Amino acid sequence: GAVVSQHPSRVICKSGTSVKIECRSLDFQATTMFWYRQFPKQSLMLMATSNEGSKATYEQGVEKDKFLINHASLTLSTLTVTSAHPEDSSFYICSARVSIYYGYTFGSGTRLTVV
Amino acid sequence: GQQLNQSPQSMFIQEGEDVSMNCTSSSIFNTWLWYKQEPGEGPVLLIALYKAGELTSNGRLTAQFGITRKDSFLNISASIPSDVGIYFCAGQLRGFENNDMRFGAGTRLTVKP
Repeated sequence: GAVVSQHPSRVICKSGTSVKIECRSLDFQATTMFWYRQFPKQSLMLMATSNEGSKATYEQGVEKDKFLINHASLTLSTLTVTSAHPEDSSFYICSARVSIYYGYTFGSGTRLTVV
Repeated sequence: GQQLNQSPQSMFIQEGEDVSMNCTSSSIFNTWLWYKQEPGEGPVLLIALYKAGELTSNGRLTAQFGITRKDSFLNISASIPSDVGIYFCAGQLRGFENNDMRFGAGTRLTVKP
């Protein structure tokens, strides 16, 4: 149980276009999901906390208008990278909290390459 | 956000050797978690620790929740090539807030056959 499905796993897009990444909790409800960015050989950097039915909370230095987060249901959060540029190329990972005792379950990540 | 101090940053070992890594923090945590991330994948939970002093095993992996609640270690015995990956520790603060998990910077493990 406690599976988080993330799609797509890889995406290549042209500079200036937008890309949407989906994160779904398959067998539990997630009122809160988290979005991370990971650069090569580095740790996970929390970008934002996605709250179902309300606005996302962004970490300092993360552009809200660049990284749009929508959490319209208890099982789905989306991250849209708008007007993507090559410097947005990275590995994006979502996670959801299963319970206060279980920790967080992660999606399998999305490799974004902007050309 | 606040990071845990995880060491070592990387390890290069021979197959069959034992591995030890640890995390320390100036803050007290109620839960310690250890994750493994393989290339191109999201982190996968290995072991979760819920009580100070708790020692938990998962196959060749053993982890302990420090008595002070400010540290944890992970040991891997008799390493094999598939142990390669990045290991992250994570601490949960009080367990009742939505964003209360903090990560270590990771230990990159390389196992030579």
